[in-house]
Amino acid sequence: DADVTQTPRNRITKTGKRIMLECSQTKGHDRMYWYRQDPGLGLRLIYYSFDVKDINKGEISDGYSVSRQAQAKFSLSLESAIPNQTALYFCASSGGAVQTQYFGPGTRLLVL
Amino acid sequence: AQTVTQSQPEMSVQEAETVTLSCTYDTSESDYYLFWYKQPPSRQMILVIRQEAYKQQNATENRFSVNFQKAAKSFSLKISDSQLGDAAMYFCAYRNSNTGNQFYFGTGTSLTVIP
Repeated sequence: DADVTQTPRNRITKTGKRIMLECSQTKGHDRMYWYRQDPGLGLRLIYYSFDVKDINKGEISDGYSVSRQAQAKFSLSLESAIPNQTALYFCASSGGAVQTQYFGPGTRLLVL
Repeated sequence: AQTVTQSQPEMSVQEAETVTLSCTYDTSESDYYLFWYKQPPSRQMILVIRQEAYKQQNATENRFSVNFQKAAKSFSLKISDSQLGDAAMYFCAYRNSNTGNQFYFGTGTSLTVIP
C-alpha cells in the first residue's frame, strides 16, 4: 500500500467552485506539504505544516487554504477555483534527520 | 533565495549507455541536502538519490550516482547502463537544513531512452 495517498486522483471543476484535495500518510511523519506542478516550472510549494498546530505559507499560497486535521491528514482547499489553478497537485510528507520528502501520486485538477 | 537550475530541458540516451544530467544551485549556506527525484509517465515522484552536503563522498544507488562539487555548487546525476524504465522527468531539489523544510526544485530534465 502507498505510504502517501491523495484523493481524488483527477478532478474537473468549474470556475468559482470550492474544492478540497485530501492527503493521508501512513509513514508517521510530522511534516506535510502541498505543491503544485506546472509544465516548465517544476514543483512550487503552496503550504507546509510541521505539526498539527503549525501551518505555514509557501511560495504560492494565494487562493489556497489548508487544514491539518491530524498528524496523518493534510487537506488543500481552493475556496473559489479559477482556471489558472489548473495543475497537478502533490502532497508530500517528511521525517527523519534528513527530512527526505515522500510524495503522493498527485491530483490532476482542471478548472473550466 | 535558493535557486536550482537544470539547464537541459531534454536529454536522450541509448539503452545500455551512460547519461549525465546537470544541476546547479545557488546558496550561501554550508549545510544542506540535495536530491534527485524521478517522475515517470505515471506522474509519481520517486526519490532516486540524495546527498548530504557535509559528506565528501558521492552518493551511489545501484546504477545511479552523483557528482557533487560543493565549491562549484554542482550536483549532477549519472545513470549507467540506461534502461527503458529510466525514461522519465528528473528533478533536482535542494533543502537547507537550517531554515525550515522548504524544498527548492529545478524545472526538470526529460530523459528519453532509445532502444
